[in-house]
Amino acid sequence: EPEVTQTPSHQVTQMGQEVILRCVPISNHLYFYWYRQILGQKVEFLVSFYNNEISEKSEIFDDQFSVERPDGSNFTLKIRSTKLEDSAMYFCASRRQGSDTQYFGPGTRLTVL
Amino acid sequence: GQSLEQPSEVTAVEGAIVQINCTYQTSGFYGLSWYQQHDGGAPTFLSYNALDGLEETGRFSSFLSRSDSYGYLLLQELQMKDSASYFCAVRDTSGTYKYIFGTGTRLKVLA
Repeated sequence: EPEVTQTPSHQVTQMGQEVILRCVPISNHLYFYWYRQILGQKVEFLVSFYNNEISEKSEIFDDQFSVERPDGSNFTLKIRSTKLEDSAMYFCASRRQGSDTQYFGPGTRLTVL
Repeated sequence: GQSLEQPSEVTAVEGAIVQINCTYQTSGFYGLSWYQQHDGGAPTFLSYNALDGLEETGRFSSFLSRSDSYGYLLLQELQMKDSASYFCAVRDTSGTYKYIFGTGTRLKVLA
């Protein structure tokens, strides 16, 4: 069964550094998402991506964040100048057209020191 | 603002039935979804209600009432492996690509 994959599983970085989180969505899906989940809290929407552009973003998704689909399979989230409060689990998800079912990747745990 | 509220924690015994409620305040949405998340894991899709009424998927059922701004997930014949967090979620009509998740309910199943 196809699945969403994410790398790395755990990223440790120093405050102020830039990180890139990578995702490979399911191949025939057209809608891609990034979510953040601080430990013990709810899943927070960051951004959605469709047709090679951002279709929606939350208040959290400010100039510090950017997304790219550099090729036909990868979907990346870049966080510039990381802050301590960026420490969280970051999930990528994808869904196909006509369905509300999102398939989540296993997540990347980001730790900012 | 848009919000989906859930009880923070529910405890039940193996074999029992438990209902997890989701009350929402949002101007409009396409449907109500439910996701399960085990500790350290990713959310996995359980159920979706596009219309009012009951949807059944094996031991899990989900209900939606738009007039009451309310939905619930019903878990029957509880098993230890059902111990997890459960989130309701909606796709907001104000932006067709944005999903809002509920506050989450941690279910503990006791032997």
